Amino acid sequence: GAVVSQHPSWVICKSGTSVKIECRSLDFQATTMFWYRQFPKQSLMLMATSNEGSKATYEQGVEKDKFLINHASLTLSTLTVTSAHPEDSSFYICSARLAGDNIYNEQFFGPGTRLTVL
Amino acid sequence: QKEVEQNSGPLSVPEGAIASLNCTYSDRGSQSFFWYRQYSGKSPELIMSIYSNGDKEDGRFTAQLNKASQYVSLLIRDSQPSDSATYLCAVSNGGYNKLIFGAGTRLAVHP
Repeated sequence: GAVVSQHPSWVICKSGTSVKIECRSLDFQATTMFWYRQFPKQSLMLMATSNEGSKATYEQGVEKDKFLINHASLTLSTLTVTSAHPEDSSFYICSARLAGDNIYNEQFFGPGTRLTVL
Repeated sequence: QKEVEQNSGPLSVPEGAIASLNCTYSDRGSQSFFWYRQYSGKSPELIMSIYSNGDKEDGRFTAQLNKASQYVSLLIRDSQPSDSATYLCAVSNGGYNKLIFGAGTRLAVHP
């Protein structure tokens, strides 16, 4: 149980294009999903918290107009990197929290999406 | 002071030994504590969660929590080369949505 998938697993794009990454909870409902970014040899950096049916909450320093997050259903959140540039190349990972879990906050991670912007 | 602190390592242990990983946190209101394992190039995998003081055992893994000392640890018994990974400590205040991660400790188990 508690499986989270991401698609695509890797993507290479040209500078200036937009890339959409999907995060799905496969066997549970998730009212809250999280998007992280990880650069090589660094720890996870939380980018934003995505709540189903409402606007995402972005961490300080993360541009909300560049990283568009949509959480349209209890099993799907998407992250769109708009006008991607080489410095956006990173490992993007989503996680999901079980619906109704407002106490333990156990998060399950997707396998990640490796983005390379040329 | 960082919110969640871990020794970056590497922590090198021989196969079959006990690996001891430590983590301290600054927020006394923290209620949930997690250990994630992350292999190189992969995403984190939840291996232990602990919510109350004391020990919690799951197979070869034991998590220990001491809220008074703001300290949480992970013991791995009978360490195997396949345990070689980065171990991330994460802490959550129940009133917030997010997990606060430490920078991780790299564990190397050598045959």
